[in-house]
Parts: sequence; C-alpha cells; structure tokens
Amino acid sequence: AQKVTQAQTEISVVEKEDVTLDCVYETRDTTYYLFWYKQPPSGELVFLIRRNSFDEQNEISGRYSWNFQKSTSSFNFTITASQVVDSAVYFCALRNYGQNFVFGPGTRLSVLP
Amino acid sequence: ETGVTQTPRHLVMGMTNKKSLKCEQHLGHNAMYWYKQSAKKPLELMFVYNFKEQTENNSVPSRFSPECPNSSHLFLHLHTLQPEDSALYLCASSQDFGWVQPPYEQYFGPGTRLTVT
Repeated sequence: AQKVTQAQTEISVVEKEDVTLDCVYETRDTTYYLFWYKQPPSGELVFLIRRNSFDEQNEISGRYSWNFQKSTSSFNFTITASQVVDSAVYFCALRNYGQNFVFGPGTRLSVLP
Repeated sequence: ETGVTQTPRHLVMGMTNKKSLKCEQHLGHNAMYWYKQSAKKPLELMFVYNFKEQTENNSVPSRFSPECPNSSHLFLHLHTLQPEDSALYLCASSQDFGWVQPPYEQYFGPGTRLTVT
C-alpha cells in the first residue's frame, strides 16, 4: 500500500525565518515519483516539483529546496527566508506508474509579518 | 483563458436540486480528474478520464455523475446530494494518465466551493 504522511498539521513562523515541511512516504515499488504542491487561499493547487526515485540529488529553486532521502523515505521541503506570500497549505504526493496520486494530509504554513 | 478553469466558483444547492460543475483545461492535456477536498481530510480522488475514457471511479456514490465530452472539458453532474457532500471540488489535468510514461504532474483549477443545505 502507498501512503504519504505529513506529520506537521500546522506551522507558524515569523517572516524571514527558515521553515522545513516534512514528508514521509511508504511504497513497495522501486520506481516512483514524489511531488510537492502549494495550495494558496485562492484554492488551486500549484505544482512545485517532481522527483523520481532514482534521483537523490537535492534540488534548489530560489528560496525553495528539497531534500530527498530514500534511506528514510523522506522528501522534505525547506523554504528559506520565508515571506507572507508563502502562507498556504503544502501537499506532498506520491505516484507510481499507472496508479493514482496519493496525497498527504497537507501542512498549513502561516508566515507572520 | 489559460490553465484550468472551473465554474461556478461557489454553489449553494438544496438536497433535491440538480446542478453541474464545469471544468475546462487549455493546456492540451489528455487526462482530467475530479477531486473532493473536505475540511481536515486528504484530497480524495473521485474520477479519472484518460483520452475521454473513464479509467477510475473511486467508489463514488451515484449521486455524482461525471461526463467528459472531449479532452478539454469535464463535468460533474450533481443530484440529490447530502450535506456531507459540502466540500471544495477540484478539477485537474495532466499530459496523460501515465500508464507507461513517467507520471506527469497535475495542474489544478481553483475549485468549486459547494454547500449543500
């Protein structure tokens, strides 16, 4: 069975702080894909990143970075120097070939000015 | 219009009403999805269409009826809903479902906030 856990239900930080959102997944497949999405108050989920299970290189995109560790089945997301506009619900998701997305429950991030 | 659009954005309906939600994608994708997002619940996949063929019906009650007339449009017909059906209904699309290709990311619409009274 596939499962995605995001243990942090809600996080509050003050602007300019760094924050890490945790994602732990379960799958028996050796080939799989991991995703992060952002859901701002407007409602639509916005795609942030896709990573396949064979690529364990960390990725950085501006203030965003992702740490993929197969040994611990984790795909954590860090926002550096957070901003108020980063306030949203963030979802981690897992998908295998020919199977549906499995989304985590989401982490609500509030960045306070 | 770009991306994925959904209409209406908000809908209030009684339990005996019949209404439809509309989704349109302008991305040239071949797969479309309906999700239900309730408060404090993970995203629930409802239906999947790949090249206009329904490939998934995730044990959704028959009071929800999807329709996909072409790869760009997806409807969700609603009738005799229950109050617990109140939720945000999200439509998404992707290049295709990803049976043999690496799964593509999904692009989401802004959702329809449905309230059943």
